[in-house]
Amino acid sequence: GAVVSQHPSWVICKSGTSVKIECRSLDFQATTMFWYRQFPKQSLMLMATSNEGSKATYEQGVEKDKFLINHASLTLSTLTVTSAHPEDSSFYICSASRQAYSPLHFGNGTRLTVT
Amino acid sequence: KNEVEQSPQNLTAQEGEFITINCSYSVGISALHWLQQHPGGGIVSLFMLSSGKKKHGRLIATINIQEKHSSLHITASHPRDSAVYICAVRSQGGSEKLVFGKGTKLTVNP
Repeated sequence: GAVVSQHPSWVICKSGTSVKIECRSLDFQATTMFWYRQFPKQSLMLMATSNEGSKATYEQGVEKDKFLINHASLTLSTLTVTSAHPEDSSFYICSASRQAYSPLHFGNGTRLTVT
Repeated sequence: KNEVEQSPQNLTAQEGEFITINCSYSVGISALHWLQQHPGGGIVSLFMLSSGKKKHGRLIATINIQEKHSSLHITASHPRDSAVYICAVRSQGGSEKLVFGKGTKLTVNP
């Protein structure tokens, strides 16, 4: 079946540094990928829609200059958390689908801890 | 009020019991997803449905579009079914974006 790989699975960084998270579709091309954030005991929240070859679409309240998204190829989207702060500590997860409006495949997520 | 409401929030069952998790939503939708999130965080898509009923193994998902309600049933529950089950809807209008419920934490005891 389709697999979405996300890396790293966990990362600890110091406040003020930047962290890059990768999301790869391993056996299909994904023109669109989605990035979500989940705080403890909260539901998933969509952060942004990553579009191959064009700018990402950010949800209201998500700072596009802080959460940089690059979707340079049909199989890779990256999320960079710039100048990370402790309040950015969260679980970040991506998803992609083979085609529009078809079942989603999720990465295993990245647990970010900013100290 | 959230657009997607799930009940119960927490559910504890004995192995072998029949489980039902409910999801109600307040917007017009083009599809509804049931997802399973394991303790480590990984998410698996169980069902995507827009009408009727789907079955996969011991899992059954139903949806009533008129009543804006869906249920996820697990027959002959097993401890390995312990996870958080999340309902998510895709609104009408062409967007692929999902709105998520808060999830139902299921614990199945042996």
